[in-house]
This record gives sequence, C-alpha cells and structure tokens, in this order.
Amino acid sequence: DAGVIQSPRHEVTEMGQEVTLRCKPISGHNSLFWYRQTMMRGLELLIYFNNNVPIDDSGMPEDRFSAKMPNASFSTLKIQPSEPRDSAVYFCASSSSGASQPQHFGDGTRLSIL
Amino acid sequence: KNEVEQSPQNLTAQEGEFITINCSYSVGISALHWLQQHPGGGIVSLFMLSSGKKKHGRLIATINIQEKHSSLHITASHPRDSAVYICAVGRQFYFGTGTSLTVIP
Repeated sequence: DAGVIQSPRHEVTEMGQEVTLRCKPISGHNSLFWYRQTMMRGLELLIYFNNNVPIDDSGMPEDRFSAKMPNASFSTLKIQPSEPRDSAVYFCASSSSGASQPQHFGDGTRLSIL
Repeated sequence: KNEVEQSPQNLTAQEGEFITINCSYSVGISALHWLQQHPGGGIVSLFMLSSGKKKHGRLIATINIQEKHSSLHITASHPRDSAVYICAVGRQFYFGTGTSLTVIP
C-alpha cells in the first residue's frame, strides 16, 4: 500500500528562486494538508484541501506561498520568490475525511534556501 | 498565547517504566490527535480521539473534554519508543511543542 508520496525529499536552492513541492495523497483520501516544521515554530498547518477545494489557508505565511490541488491525486506547494526564512521541512498529509480523521504523513521535503 | 501546552518538554525514562505525557488546550475541538515523530523525522499518527480512551498495543490515550486535557501513556516503555510526541487539536490544527522522550536500555 503506497503511503503519501512527497517529492523532492531534499531541495537546496538560492534565494529568489521558485520552489515547487509535490505531494501525492493516498488513493481514496479526499483531504490533504500541507505543514511546515521549523525549530523555532514547530509544526504549523499551512493549508488544507477537502475534495480538491482549499478549505483553510489561514496558515499560508504570505503571498509568496501558493498551493494547488488540480485533482484528487496531486497537490503542489509553490514558493516564489523563496527566502532563507522559508528553510524548513514541509510535510504533506492526507486523510479520508477532514481534520477529524487520522492523517497519514509523507516523509517530508527538507528545503534549504541559501 | 499557546492554544496547546504539552508537558513535560523532555523526558528520560528507564526501559520498562510507565510514561505519561500531558496535553492541555484552550480552544474548542472536535478531535485531538497524538503524533509520533521519529528521530529520522517521519511523522506517524498514533491516535485521533474525541472522547474517552483509546488503546493500541502499549499505548493508551485519554481525553477529558470538560477539562480540555489529554494524556498519552506508554506502558512497559522500550528504547524504540524514543521519539517526539506531539499533540494537535482543532480544525486549524494547533500543535503542541512536543515532548521529547528518551528511553534508556
């Protein structure tokens, strides 16, 4: 059974560059979550989708961040332009229905902005 | 202001000890989640509960909605239980800062 698949696992890029993180949720799950984890702030919810529709994006830090879910099997989180303070581990998770169901996490993308 | 408070922040135990990690929250919730983050960084959802108690193997989670408090218990702790345990609540997924557990053989 494939879990949540994130790519890339690691990304190192220079500030100002566009960064795209990708996530494939578990088949059949209709809720998808993007999280960010840093030493300073811990885990934070950035945005979550239900049936491909963004439900709560209040955690998205600023306009440089955008997330899309064009279909049930794929989501992207984009940062443009990237800044060093965006360096973090970004996790994607999916669940069968909303925030009141257990979530399955991907392995995360470790992002370093130089 | 922290919506979710966990205690203790760090915990070291001898193998076999009974362990309790606490989570208190200030927001109204429909469910509370306990997560485990391994030293390698991967995150696993241990429990999702909205009332009462759940048990899975040596792990037990309880919640008291009126008191806005949850506990995670580990019986007969083992070195492989060493991880960070994180409590999360609410639709907005407010996270606790985590409890770092080390179990010594």
